[in-house]
Formats: sequence, structure tokens, C-alpha cells
Amino acid sequence: EVVMTQSPATLSVSPGERATLSCRASQAISPNLAWYQQKPGQAPRLLIYGASTRATGVPDRFSGSGSGTEFTLTISSLQSEDFAVYYCQQYNYWPPLLTFGPGTKVDI
Amino acid sequence: EVQLVESGGGLVQPGGSLRLSCAASGFTFSTYSMNWVRQAPGKGLEWISYISPTSSTIYYGDSVKGRVFVSRDNAKNSLYLQMDSMRDEDTAIYYCARMGGVGRNWFDPWGQGTLVTVSS
Repeated sequence: EVVMTQSPATLSVSPGERATLSCRASQAISPNLAWYQQKPGQAPRLLIYGASTRATGVPDRFSGSGSGTEFTLTISSLQSEDFAVYYCQQYNYWPPLLTFGPGTKVDI
Repeated sequence: EVQLVESGGGLVQPGGSLRLSCAASGFTFSTYSMNWVRQAPGKGLEWISYISPTSSTIYYGDSVKGRVFVSRDNAKNSLYLQMDSMRDEDTAIYYCARMGGVGRNWFDPWGQGTLVTVSS
């Protein structure tokens, strides 16, 4: 079993500030990690795959990095629309394991 | 525009059954693997089912194995999830999500979800 953890659980930041979110896997998964954004009442949206590749249409203020078991999602300058919950997901052990982290809530 | 629209959610009693549907449009449905992911109220995301483009390969998460059955109809561009012997802990929003292709095992896009409530 691959366990994904995310920290912090909640990150309080001000608009314009930088946000750094962490995701850790219990086993090496590099580079098979994706990040998703979920706003209240909405479905998740893919932001990053392959640990560092932005999905189509994702602003370049979002960047992903990391390798092995430690990964980071950075939002360089938070906009009002970026306040949301962010999930990481490993797909290194697919099939049949697809595992999400518990999420980090970014709020004001 | 790529679009996934779920339907079929609702209130069901413990031990009951429900069939969810997901209508796909805007892409060649028959060439993509599809998944169901659920989210309990106020909780995180849980992958529960995968089906390959031709239905030849199917996987289930441990929490639903033996109680849910995924299927698809490529002629109708539709994905289904039959849920039986439902439990309180199956209460969640159920999302269908497309997988990107061989080696592209992430979810994009997602449908808007359909709420399933298991309660007596």
C-alpha cells in the first residue's frame, strides 16, 4: 500500500503571497504524481501531472517539483480564485493502486 | 468541448441498489479508459473503479470490491456504475473521470458529480 500525506492541512495566506504545499509518498513514486484543485461545490481540476508538467490552460503561477517521495506544489502569487483544496495523487503503482493525499486547504 | 455528465444519484436505503450513469461528449469515448472516483461529505477523494476502452480490463478499489460493477457502452458514449448492497459509508458524491491514455494515469476531466445518500 502506498500512503500519501499532505502538509499542512490548512494554509492561510494573503492574496499576492507565495504558497508552498507539500505531498509525501510512503514509497518512491517519481515522477508519477498529479495535483488537482477543488473549489467548493465543484469537481476537481487537473493542475499538474508528471510531478511538474502543467495541464492545458493552467496559469504559470502554478508549478510542481520534487522527486522520489517528496513533492511540492507552489503557487507563486496567490489570486482570489486560487483559494481551494489541493490534492496530490500517485499513479506510479497503477495498476491497481491510485491513491490520493488527504488534501491541503488554502484559505485567506 | 470535452464534457462528462453524471446522473442517477439519489437516496437509497442500506442494502439497496443504485445505478449511476456518465454521459460523455466532445471526445472519442471508445478510445479512453474511464474511472469512478467518490468523495464522502467533507472528505477527500477515493478512486473506486477503472474500465479500459474495450472493457477488457476492470479494476475496483478494496472498499467497493464485490459490491459495485462498472460497465460502458461505447455506442452510447456512456459509463455506468451499478452499486449493490449499499452501506452508509457509500454516501458520497460520485464523479466519473477520464484517464489520459497509456501511461497517462491521471484524471482529466471530471464530471460535476452525482450525490448518493445511503440512509434509512
